[in-house]
Amino acid sequence: DQQVKQNSPSLSVQEGRISILNCDYTNSMFDYFLWYKKYPAEGPTFLISISSIKDKNEDGRFTVFLNKSAKHLSLHIVPSQPGDSAVYFCAASAPKLTGGGNKLTFGTGTQLKVEL
Amino acid sequence: NAGVMQNPRHLVRRRGQEARLRCSPMKGHSHVYWYRQLPEEGLKFMVYLQKENIIDESGMPKERFSAEFPKEGPSILRIQQVVRGDSAAYFCASSPGDGTYEQYFGPGTRLTVT
Repeated sequence: DQQVKQNSPSLSVQEGRISILNCDYTNSMFDYFLWYKKYPAEGPTFLISISSIKDKNEDGRFTVFLNKSAKHLSLHIVPSQPGDSAVYFCAASAPKLTGGGNKLTFGTGTQLKVEL
Repeated sequence: NAGVMQNPRHLVRRRGQEARLRCSPMKGHSHVYWYRQLPEEGLKFMVYLQKENIIDESGMPKERFSAEFPKEGPSILRIQQVVRGDSAAYFCASSPGDGTYEQYFGPGTRLTVT
């Protein structure tokens, strides 16, 4: 039962353009969402997060949008840089009382390639 | 401020042997999580520990796997009698335990069972 889905296994974008990575979830109890970036042979690096009480959070070149009614979130990277080439994972957390309690549920990732 | 440390980075075990994976959380972090990533998949939660306590082990296989986070020293994920299907990357993460959701990951241990 894949509760967090990233339906695009890969995405290719030109340097300087916008990268948009998408994520859908099925568990309506999720109340906090995070994006991680992962390079090969390294651990995931935290990028940005958003609480379910918000619909947007911005940090430099990274913006996360949350659409609760559609159970959809997206990560925008503007402008994209070659160093952004990595696998991006969406993750979600549910409150402890609903069976969550700090554990993160991850999507399967999207490989972003930023080309020169 | 050192990040999450894991060792060894690579571990090769023959079927039937034991694997011990270690994790030292970030300084000031009291919560530790273990995740497993199989090839071509996302990370799957295994266990959540605080010092001397297992808080949530709902993702741990019922047999052969155990975890601890003693009062002193690193957290240990132990896999007894390893099988080929245990080959994966095992990641440890830590958080400060102050109600924040963000978890910070170590570089992982890549376990290969031959």
